[in-house]
Amino acid sequence: QVQLVESGGGVVQPGGSLRLSCAASGFIFSNYGMQWVRQAPGKGLEWVAFIRYDGGSKDYADSMKGRFTIARENSKNTLYLQMNSLTVEDTAVYYCVKAKRDGPTGDLYYFDYWGQGTLVTVSS
Amino acid sequence: DIQMTQSPSTLSASVGDRVTITCRASQSISTWLAWYQQKSGKAPNLLIYRASSLQTGVPSRFSASGSGTEFTLTISSLQPDDFATYYCQQYNTYSWTFGQGTKVEIK
Repeated sequence: QVQLVESGGGVVQPGGSLRLSCAASGFIFSNYGMQWVRQAPGKGLEWVAFIRYDGGSKDYADSMKGRFTIARENSKNTLYLQMNSLTVEDTAVYYCVKAKRDGPTGDLYYFDYWGQGTLVTVSS
Repeated sequence: DIQMTQSPSTLSASVGDRVTITCRASQSISTWLAWYQQKSGKAPNLLIYRASSLQTGVPSRFSASGSGTEFTLTISSLQPDDFATYYCQQYNTYSWTFGQGTKVEIK
């Protein structure tokens, strides 16, 4: 069965950096696009970043561009999110999400499996 | 970005009730819409994709419809396990956006 296990969350000061990891199993990781989605405490879901199955294409939410970097290591079945210049507004649970292809040409994606999330707290 | 608006924000219902949640997109997204269920403290779970296709393993009391800008999620007979928050999400573009959520509470 599909498993996505995030790690790397914790408490960091404003302006600091953190790298999240997501270990994937139960599917052929190198065949699938992957996403990060976050949820601030008591709030709704917010898409963060997407990476294509081969790492050749990446997209970011506007508020994360230039600060966050999504990456993957297919040989290790692992997804990453490097987060820099963190602010208190980045405090959230960060979910690793598997993307499923859809659309007439297979270039649209919905989110079919989610990890349990890792909490990032930005606080002084 | 495409804005997604759900209504109502909160819904109070009883076990056995028929429940409908509405989701509106700020522009047409064809049928590129998904619905997720999130229970307190847990990750979201995919219920519906392509506006009306039931994800494997999801009970048949869940159904959904719509296209363009207006969509609905219906639970035909609410069960105790269904009390949760529901989110719609458009995937028409590479800037995925969610509705603000609808919390289904026990009446």
